Amino acid sequence: EADIYQTPRYLVIGTGKKITLECSQTMGHDKMYWYQQDPGMELHLIHYSYGVNSTEKGDLSSESTVSRIRTEHFPLTLESARPSHTSQYLCASSEPGGVGSPLHFGNGTRLTVT
Amino acid sequence: AQTVTQSQPEMSVQEAETVTLSCTYDTSESDYYLFWYKQPPSRQMILVIRQEAYKQQNATENRFSVNFQKAAKSFSLKISDSQLGDAAMYFCAYRSLFGNEKLTFGTGTRLTIIP
Repeated sequence: EADIYQTPRYLVIGTGKKITLECSQTMGHDKMYWYQQDPGMELHLIHYSYGVNSTEKGDLSSESTVSRIRTEHFPLTLESARPSHTSQYLCASSEPGGVGSPLHFGNGTRLTVT
Repeated sequence: AQTVTQSQPEMSVQEAETVTLSCTYDTSESDYYLFWYKQPPSRQMILVIRQEAYKQQNATENRFSVNFQKAAKSFSLKISDSQLGDAAMYFCAYRSLFGNEKLTFGTGTRLTIIP
């Protein structure tokens, strides 16, 4: 059972629309991540946060932005969606205890921009 | 930068048999963590097993075990007594002790269990 929640699961939206993908976790984890996953390909880190008011860009350049106003909430926003943004977006949080701690993933949001 | 390679896009195994998924990685670091994650269809990704590089003993979790060859930079996953619920995408991942502590993933192996 997921303890990190993403909404919506599926989203189909037209070009130019503004969208926000929601991610919430109930575990009190400080570190959170957004990954982009294309079919048949590896996950790429696009954003991460070490805690409230901390956000950093990941390795894959993304036009999206994130915010971290509360520990449990880490939303991702696209100001103007484009077909190139079509992908699956996975949110994750990391247990405390260092690099060896596992990540907990949400179910993902599959975004289609028409 | 680290890279992770999974050379088997798809694998299949008969139920109750054993299957090994391959993973190689490239790094100049001496200490790091390696993980296998499982992503069932339409379900969340979960941790299968993890290995710290400085530990020579191979990690084991019930039916899952790894063959960690540090010098060869190889980290294969063995699944014994395969079950229908093992069907999923399996991702090998590397995590550095430095920088943003991100997970670097391979491209995944889709495992099919044949009843």
